Amino acid sequence: QQQVKQSPQSLIVQKGGISIINCAYENTAFDYFPWYQQFPGKGPALLIAIRPDVSEKKEGRFTISFNKSAKQFSLHIMDSQPGDSATYFCAASISGYALNFGKGTSLLVTP
Amino acid sequence: GAGVSQSPSNKVTEKGKDVELRCDPISGHTALYWYRQSLGQGLEFLIYFQGNSAPDKSGLPSDRFSAERTGGSVSTLTIQRTQQEDSAVYLCASSLKIGTGNEKLFFGSGTQLSVL
Repeated sequence: QQQVKQSPQSLIVQKGGISIINCAYENTAFDYFPWYQQFPGKGPALLIAIRPDVSEKKEGRFTISFNKSAKQFSLHIMDSQPGDSATYFCAASISGYALNFGKGTSLLVTP
Repeated sequence: GAGVSQSPSNKVTEKGKDVELRCDPISGHTALYWYRQSLGQGLEFLIYFQGNSAPDKSGLPSDRFSAERTGGSVSTLTIQRTQQEDSAVYLCASSLKIGTGNEKLFFGSGTQLSVL
């Protein structure tokens, strides 16, 4: 049973555009929501994370928006660059337990 | 070491053989995780260790899978009597400690397992 549902499966964005990836969850006990970025041949790396007590967190061009009532959170990549082309995973966990990952979104930023 | 190290990076085996995958976590990291990544299936949780103990083995797909960790450091994931559906990338990750609610996982580059 997939505890975190991610969409879209793939995304193509022009350079300079905004990339948006969405995730939804059911378990209201989740209290930690990170996003991981993975390049081919490498393991995922933490990009940005949020706790449910805030609705938005921004780090550079990357922003997480969190909607607790809707049980949804999303990643926005502003001014997308070809170097952002990678697979992005959302995840959720309850403190003290392992992360549950979404199935991933393959992002391609065209020049 | 500087990061999480996994070996081998690639493993090709015949159906029915046993395989061992190794993970060297970042020094000082007490938590260690194994995930499996199959095409289009995202990251599937297998097992995690806090020190040498594994509180949660619920993700192991079958009794052919087992894992151990010794000395609070190196971990080995063993798959017995491999099947073709075991073909995947097996990722290991470590973190300083589990239970803080902000565990940053550091992943290795994985072991690509191919079962012929």
